[in-house]
Amino acid sequence: GQQLNQSPQSMFIQEGEDVSMNCTSSSIFNTWLWYKQDPGEGPVLLIALYKAGELTSNGRLTAQFGITRKDSFLNISASIPSDVGIYFCAGQLPGAGSYQLTFGKGTKLSVIP
Amino acid sequence: DADVTQTPRNRITKTGKRIMLECSQTKGHDRMYWYRQDPGLGLRLIYYSFDVKDINKGEISDGYSVSRQAQAKFSLSLESAIPNQTALYFCATSDPARGPNQPQHFGDGTRLSIL
Repeated sequence: GQQLNQSPQSMFIQEGEDVSMNCTSSSIFNTWLWYKQDPGEGPVLLIALYKAGELTSNGRLTAQFGITRKDSFLNISASIPSDVGIYFCAGQLPGAGSYQLTFGKGTKLSVIP
Repeated sequence: DADVTQTPRNRITKTGKRIMLECSQTKGHDRMYWYRQDPGLGLRLIYYSFDVKDINKGEISDGYSVSRQAQAKFSLSLESAIPNQTALYFCATSDPARGPNQPQHFGDGTRLSIL
């Protein structure tokens, strides 16, 4: 199957710092999605990206769909303790009726107050 | 109420037992999915369904079966559970009627442990 390389695998940051994580693939994707998973809960959609070059914000979160369509990044500005969790990227392949998401392995974020 | 509800939330059982995990949704979405999450491996697709009676294998369908008897319900079965099926299982839905490539929305998961 398709592979998504998500990095970093984990990160420890001080409250107030900015965070950046990214995903890369050898395949072209039609859609990039970023999810956050809190302990004991399912992934929750943060941002959806549908066009190459698209830059979208959701509060303190900003994500971009890479120009090559093979990568995406997520930035979190001014981190706070509730940002703690696992962040997943997911890509959707081109094609009419394409359904399947390929997930990265996640970035575990820890915020030190 | 949650839009995507999974039951049970936790289950411990023994090797060889038959297990059924249930998923129900109030979102009115046609598409439903079952994923498995293992530490360090992300989420992997087990089965998916585009409509009632439509069933398709995902990346890791061996050892699992599913049933989609109604638009709102999609169940996952382990016919004879084995320890390496211990994992967190997620159900998800999406709505293609809103356009292509609509995001999937997840339930809160079922933690399954097989002894």
